[in-house]
Parts: sequence; C-alpha cells; structure tokens
Amino acid sequence: SAVISQKPSRDICQRGTSLTIQCQVDSQVTMMFWYRQQPGQSLTLIATANQGSEATYESGFVIDKFPISRPNLTFSTLTVSNMSPEDSSIYLCSGQGPGDIQYFGAGTRLSVL
Amino acid sequence: AQTVTQSQPEMSVQEAETVTLSCTYDTSESDYYLFWYKQPPSRQMILVIRQEAYKQQNATENRFSVNFQKAAKSFSLKISDSQLGDAAMYFCAYIPGSGTYKYIFGTGTRLKVLA
Repeated sequence: SAVISQKPSRDICQRGTSLTIQCQVDSQVTMMFWYRQQPGQSLTLIATANQGSEATYESGFVIDKFPISRPNLTFSTLTVSNMSPEDSSIYLCSGQGPGDIQYFGAGTRLSVL
Repeated sequence: AQTVTQSQPEMSVQEAETVTLSCTYDTSESDYYLFWYKQPPSRQMILVIRQEAYKQQNATENRFSVNFQKAAKSFSLKISDSQLGDAAMYFCAYIPGSGTYKYIFGTGTRLKVLA
C-alpha cells in the first residue's frame, strides 16, 4: 500500500488569489490524480498528473485555472488559480499502485471568500 | 458509456446487524476491476474491498464481503456485525482492465449506524 500526505488540510482564501496544494507519496506510483468533491457528493476527476510531461485534463477543467506539476514519481502539486467562491470545494489527490488500487490523501477543504 | 450506479443515497443499520449496499455498472468490457471505498467524516478515502472480474469467487475482507454477479453487472457490499466506525460514505468504483487508469465512481451511499 501507499501513504499519501496532502497539505494543507484546509484553507480560507480571498477571491482572486491562488492556492497550491501538495501531495506526497511514500512510494513510487505510476499515476497520480486530482479530484474535486462537493460535500456529500461523488468525486469529479480534474486531471491525471503525468511524471515528466503535461497533465491530462478532463472536460471542463483547463491548465490555466488548475496548473499541475509532477516533478517525480512521489510528488505532485495542484494550483487553484484566480479563485472565486465557486472554487470552494474539497480537493483530493490519489496515487495508483499495483492492482489499479488508488490511495488517497485526506483532502484539502478550500473556502473562497 | 461506462457508468456506475448506486441507487441508495442513504442507508441505516443497527449496530451488530448486517447491511447490504447496492452497486450496478454498465460496461462492454470483459476484463475490469471493481472496488468499494469508504470515506468517513475525516474525508480520507479508504479501500474496503477489490474484485477482479475474471474471478468468480466473491472477495471478502473480514466483516466485508461482496456479491459479484457479472452477468447482471451487480456488485453489492455486505457489512456484517456493523460497528459505529462503519458509518461513512461508501463509493463503488469501476476501472476497465484495458490500460485506462481512470476510475468511474458511483454517487455514493451514506451509511448510518445506530447504537
């Protein structure tokens, strides 16, 4: 199994600013993913973070708004740029290990005022 | 299109009793994997159980077991001897075995455990 550390766990931000969320895995994983989740709802995939190349974004999500870095096989960041209240949500990262099992971070609860 | 459906938004179970959460999926693939994840109020998603489609035997993990019916495309989770710590959102997830790495999640079932 893999342990994923995600930080910050929560933040309150002002409209128009940016927040970078970090995700650290304790072992190498092939794929890393970033999700958004509204409280009480399912997960929506934002993008797949690829090591050494650009992230692959899902429909409705763009690089300018959610730039992602993945400099190595154990670390990734997601930036939420030029935030508005509509960006208030829970952001989760995950890493995929053997058996296609995804291991998740504890999430970042973001509130934008 | 591949979809995962959880038709029970919320379920309740008495402590020490048994509860079954339903999940159905739609796919034309023959090789795939199915998962149940638990998300307690702490938000961290935890793998409960994993099933490989080519295995006919139902997966079990202690008090958790699945009823996998491939022809019916059904994958229900049975929790026996329910405990207060089982209270959480439960998500069913599917991934094809063809090299696509993205999970398809169901909408989730909130399980309440009554003392």
